[in-house]
Amino acid sequence: EVQLVQSGAEVKKPGESLKISCQGSGYSFTSYWVGWVRQMPGKGLEWMGIIYPGDSDTRYSPSFQGQVTFSADRSINTAYLQWSSLKASDTAMYYCARTPYSSSPGDYWGQGTLVTVSS
Amino acid sequence: DIVMTQSPDSLAVSLGERATINCKSSQSVLDSSNNNNNLAWYQQKSGQPPKLLIYWASTRESGVPDRFSGSGSGTDFTLTISSLQAEDVAVYYCHQYYDTPYSFGQGTKLEIK
Repeated sequence: EVQLVQSGAEVKKPGESLKISCQGSGYSFTSYWVGWVRQMPGKGLEWMGIIYPGDSDTRYSPSFQGQVTFSADRSINTAYLQWSSLKASDTAMYYCARTPYSSSPGDYWGQGTLVTVSS
Repeated sequence: DIVMTQSPDSLAVSLGERATINCKSSQSVLDSSNNNNNLAWYQQKSGQPPKLLIYWASTRESGVPDRFSGSGSGTDFTLTISSLQAEDVAVYYCHQYYDTPYSFGQGTKLEIK
């Protein structure tokens, strides 16, 4: 059974760093892309970008380029999304999704990680 | 960037009736190399992650009931639920994966009348 399990909710202060995770199982983790999607409170879905764990090829949306970093650890089938300095506007639910090709929709999604940034 | 615009923003339909959601892209999402439209539809129920319903504009994902169908090509697309069930209450999003940055429509909230 394909599963993507994301790390738990986080509460952080502005300026702090954060790394959230997405662990895949039930499929060949290095043969599929992992996409990241942001959903701000009460709002719609925003595509942040994708990473190919097989070689760490990444494609960022210009809206998120320089604001976040994608990475992956193939040895533990885990993809990461990280911030070096959080802002209140980063408060959102973040989803990872298995993506069969760089040009395809996410077919299996994680349960989401809620990030709250507040002083 | 490709902008996806859905209509309506919200929709109330009686149980058993047809629901239709439209999606328009600011430029064509048709891949001429394979004649596929790089357009998907997602369903998001309250408190849950999105669920893939339709890809390539009209191909139903495995396990999705056949009351859900997608149509359209180029820049204009439609998601149709032929006979609305109570469990279909959700927000529906179209999504283009033709050109990065990929993008979603703003969502259509579907309720029971």
